Amino acid sequence: NAGVTQTPKFQVLKTGQSMTLQCAQDMNHEYMSWYRQDPGMGLRLIHYSVGAGITDQGEVPNGYNVSRSTTEDFPLRLLSAAPSQTSVYFCASSRQAYTGELFFGEGSRLTVL
Amino acid sequence: AQTVTQSQPEMSVQEAETVTLSCTYDTSESDYYLFWYKQPPSRQMILVIRQEAYKQQNATENRFSVNFQKAAKSFSLKISDSQLGDAAMYFCAYKNSGGSNYKLTFGKGTLLTVNP
Repeated sequence: NAGVTQTPKFQVLKTGQSMTLQCAQDMNHEYMSWYRQDPGMGLRLIHYSVGAGITDQGEVPNGYNVSRSTTEDFPLRLLSAAPSQTSVYFCASSRQAYTGELFFGEGSRLTVL
Repeated sequence: AQTVTQSQPEMSVQEAETVTLSCTYDTSESDYYLFWYKQPPSRQMILVIRQEAYKQQNATENRFSVNFQKAAKSFSLKISDSQLGDAAMYFCAYKNSGGSNYKLTFGKGTLLTVNP
């Protein structure tokens, strides 16, 4: 029972580099989302998906892309990393989109120099 | 837009004692969900308790209970018989029910320390 798996757990990038944070869930959840957590800011929603082929923007989507080609996977792409994207990123999923009962991954700590 | 406010950045409690974490929210909706999530030092966040706004009865999960005051837009979490494993960051969260709104709004969190 893996739940929500995020990779990598740690990553250091240089400004301008691109990378993809991977997220996979094995619970057949309909809803998947990406949050970033910054000190004193709580969690802020970046992008979310209510099913394969459907994505939408959250509160802070700029600089990030997502896609949902399968139910299981929801990668987050940083197109051109900036120091302001230094954060801890969490992927979360839910059995149904409307319940709000999220299952979280362990997080990915990203540092952009 | 909905907002969630946790006015206590940090709290501490003695082991076996009771502690209450505060949360207020702002919404014009009548039907919604409220949540408390726990983030231990290991970082993986887990759901502690959930409350549906149309239910007057306060939700309870073992040692965790809430005091939901809809008119006051208040949603506090009470932890009874605190244990060392309760030490964590606690986040209050809000979500509109129904429709096409799939977003959770989180507060900034309260860091709970449990003293032996």
